[in-house]
Amino acid sequence: DADVTQTPRNRITKTGKRIMLECSQTKGHDRMYWYRQDPGLGLRLIYYSFDVKDINKGEISDGYSVSRQAQAKFSLSLESAIPNQTALYFCATSEDVSNQPQHFGDGTRLSIL
Amino acid sequence: KQEVTQIPAALSVPEGENLVLNCSFTDSAIYNLQWFRQDPGKGLTSLLLIQSSQREQTSGRLNASLDKSSGRSTLYIAASQPGDSATYLCAVTPSSNTGKLIFGQGTTLQVKP
Repeated sequence: DADVTQTPRNRITKTGKRIMLECSQTKGHDRMYWYRQDPGLGLRLIYYSFDVKDINKGEISDGYSVSRQAQAKFSLSLESAIPNQTALYFCATSEDVSNQPQHFGDGTRLSIL
Repeated sequence: KQEVTQIPAALSVPEGENLVLNCSFTDSAIYNLQWFRQDPGKGLTSLLLIQSSQREQTSGRLNASLDKSSGRSTLYIAASQPGDSATYLCAVTPSSNTGKLIFGQGTTLQVKP
């Protein structure tokens, strides 16, 4: 089983709908992150959480919200989806220790019509 | 604002060649630099992490170097194989070490048999 699991893997939905992307991890890491990837723009950080009670905005948090339900679960919500939120979304985790790499899930491909 | 650039955007080489991928960053105040590999439809896999105090890291046929003062890193791949075909991304952690990663746009490598 994957260490970092994202659901769903693919989603097509309509403008204005509320969408939740889920991430769960079995690595026991405290830190979790949500990124989006757009062609030609690399990955950009949306939100990150260093523990259940610590949630921070990233570079592009507008239009998104998150919930850290437990150490192992970190959900990303789009309250009212718009077409320019069409992207590939990645969840990642890392240890609460300096100089440790981040571990990524396989991504959720989201299309908003 | 930290910016990370990778050139070229795409590269095609015959099998067996040694090759170098380039990454540059505008602010030398970094905590570490990471190189990732991304296969189509998959997440990112961490290849090498270089701490700001280090000059290089090696793993198998991969060698990553870091020149923090000039804002440059290279990923050297020896004796390339078709299985090395993927997108390679570099990312820096700012010296504030909040866990954020700032990514380049990636270099897509194709190794032809």
